[in-house]
Amino acid sequence: DTAVSQTPKYLVTQMGNDKSIKCEQNLGHDTMYWYKQDSKKFLKIMFSYNNKELIINETVPNRFSPKSPDKAHLNLHINSLELGDSAVYFCASTGGMVEKLFFGSGTQLSVL
Amino acid sequence: AQSVTQLGSHVSVSEGALVLLRCNYSSSVPPYLFWYVQYPNQGLQLLLKYTSAATLVKGINGFEAEFKKSETSFHLTKPSAHMSDAAEYFCAVSSGGSNYKLTFGKGTLLTVNP
Repeated sequence: DTAVSQTPKYLVTQMGNDKSIKCEQNLGHDTMYWYKQDSKKFLKIMFSYNNKELIINETVPNRFSPKSPDKAHLNLHINSLELGDSAVYFCASTGGMVEKLFFGSGTQLSVL
Repeated sequence: AQSVTQLGSHVSVSEGALVLLRCNYSSSVPPYLFWYVQYPNQGLQLLLKYTSAATLVKGINGFEAEFKKSETSFHLTKPSAHMSDAAEYFCAVSSGGSNYKLTFGKGTLLTVNP
């Protein structure tokens, strides 16, 4: 079974549309993240949730809204998509501060 | 604030040669340090981590890294490169505390020539 799974793997859409990316982990972790990887491979944290509570929000535009219905799920909804939103979005989870992050395989978002 | 600098966005070695990927960190508190590897079209996988125990850390696939506080470095090495080592490598530092997060370097692409 995949530890951290995110869907869809590829997402192609037009500017101005609204889209969602879903993430689920079956590791029993309390903490989940969304990271954005740009075309230069730079990874930047967007959000972090601990047990359904938002704990990190890294100056991400309001068009991005994470939602955590339970601690095993962290979804990302994006309104009014822009060209600059094109990137690979990674979901991750961890069981603790010094433990490793488990990453999903990524969602490649292309905004046309 | 914490940050990571990876020197060299691209490193190219011959198969069988030494691999050295450089990482320097900045942290206001004793850091936890990590190296992750990303193969094409995949997520990141942990290679190794330093969490204030032994300064020489051994990881998977024959990689190791040495924490040097005086140099604020955590360089990744492997004695002999394999073709399968070709990938993007990321150094990361954690903030610790209740708002735990990993800050990544910009990555180093390792290519291995036959």
